[in-house]
Amino acid sequence: EAQVTQNPRYLITVTGKKLTVTCSQNMNHEYMSWYRQDPGLGLRQIYYSMNVEVTDKGDVPEGYKVSRKEKRNFPLILESPSPNQTSLYFCASRAGGQDTQYFGPGTRLTVL
Amino acid sequence: AQSVTQLGSHVSVSEGALVLLRCNYSSSVPPYLFWYVQYPNQGLQLLLKYTSAATLVKGINGFEAEFKKSETSFHLTKPSAHMSDAAEYFCASLPYNFNKFYFGSGTKLNVKP
Repeated sequence: EAQVTQNPRYLITVTGKKLTVTCSQNMNHEYMSWYRQDPGLGLRQIYYSMNVEVTDKGDVPEGYKVSRKEKRNFPLILESPSPNQTSLYFCASRAGGQDTQYFGPGTRLTVL
Repeated sequence: AQSVTQLGSHVSVSEGALVLLRCNYSSSVPPYLFWYVQYPNQGLQLLLKYTSAATLVKGINGFEAEFKKSETSFHLTKPSAHMSDAAEYFCASLPYNFNKFYFGSGTKLNVKP
């Protein structure tokens, strides 16, 4: 089954404790993105990747890191999480030159 | 820069009534346009998309949207609301260079019995 998976689905952590949210897709897609969803703000792009080893900042990259060492994986790293990073995070992927974007189920992160 | 504006963060309709969710885009060249739906505690699901073919686009669950270049709009409609339509709806645009998506702030649809 074609899908985008994220782990964990729920995470409660404390300020400053490094964490990684994993994202994996099995569709051989070139493009992958991370979004955060906050009430009244919709989805805002954090980082995106156009292919292996090619990443770029989105609209709200501060406090986040990403890497794309393999085509299928695009982890989101929070080196020193802060409470303002409490949010719902979505990973998404799509094929190059295609308009259909597939979303993961989301990761709800709470930073205390 | 592109942007997508959704008018009304909350819309409430009665079951059986018309649903109208508004979306306007700002772009000198009409982009590809999308409507996504998010049911409670779930991810985003594509409802429909406009990709420069027919201006009236039909999607899943009886929804449709009309692209109007003169109004830079892509409003979502459904003739008769059902309780199961209660969800949050997001409008999004994708420029022709396929660079990145731009999302609106979302509209929560409440359907009253």
